[in-house]
Amino acid sequence: GDSVTQMEGPVTLSEEAFLTINCTYTATGYPSLFWYVQYPGEGLQLLLKATKADDKGSNKGFEATYRKETTSFHLEKGSVQVSDSAVYFCALRRNTGTASKLTFGTGTRLQVTL
Amino acid sequence: NAGVTQTPKFQVLKTGQSMTLQCAQDMNHNSMYWYRQDPGMGLRLIYYSASEGTTDKGEVPNGYNVSRLNKREFSLRLESAAPSQTSVYFCASRGTSGISTYEQYFGPGTRLTVT
Repeated sequence: GDSVTQMEGPVTLSEEAFLTINCTYTATGYPSLFWYVQYPGEGLQLLLKATKADDKGSNKGFEATYRKETTSFHLEKGSVQVSDSAVYFCALRRNTGTASKLTFGTGTRLQVTL
Repeated sequence: NAGVTQTPKFQVLKTGQSMTLQCAQDMNHNSMYWYRQDPGMGLRLIYYSASEGTTDKGEVPNGYNVSRLNKREFSLRLESAAPSQTSVYFCASRGTSGISTYEQYFGPGTRLTVT
């Protein structure tokens, strides 16, 4: 079945450091890929997405490129801020059926300090 | 436009008690979902409803039932709560047209503790 593997956290960085959170997936066909962010005490929000190979999703300074050859969708940001502290989830959606079920990774907690 | 709302925000139950978690969306979305979030396990799908009048099991349906009351509302029922159901429960909805076709919108969650 489908699966998503994320790097273990927590990830602790100083403000303005470069961020990479690794994500790889296993799925048949050509899934769509997503990064969701969960701030403390809140639900998940879509951060960015990519729907086909070589697409780059970007939002709020975060980027991720859909790499089919390595089945990866790593999240990057050039300069993190304290306000980026949150849990980040990688997810995939296989493009079949009508219900659009998502498969999530386990989440990576990011802590940014001054 | 409130998006996805969930009630209650917090709940403590004793083993064997029953309760219903409520979810409503005001975005005219067809599909709705219930997830549970446990430490180190990400989000796992409990049940979903592709459209009004239909429901299907997800990855972890045992111990739960759902009702798609109308297009807006999708409730999750625990008939006899067990400590293993201690978790944070999220409801989500998804549109089927326009820019919201792929995106699931999540509610703020219900933190449930079963003692």
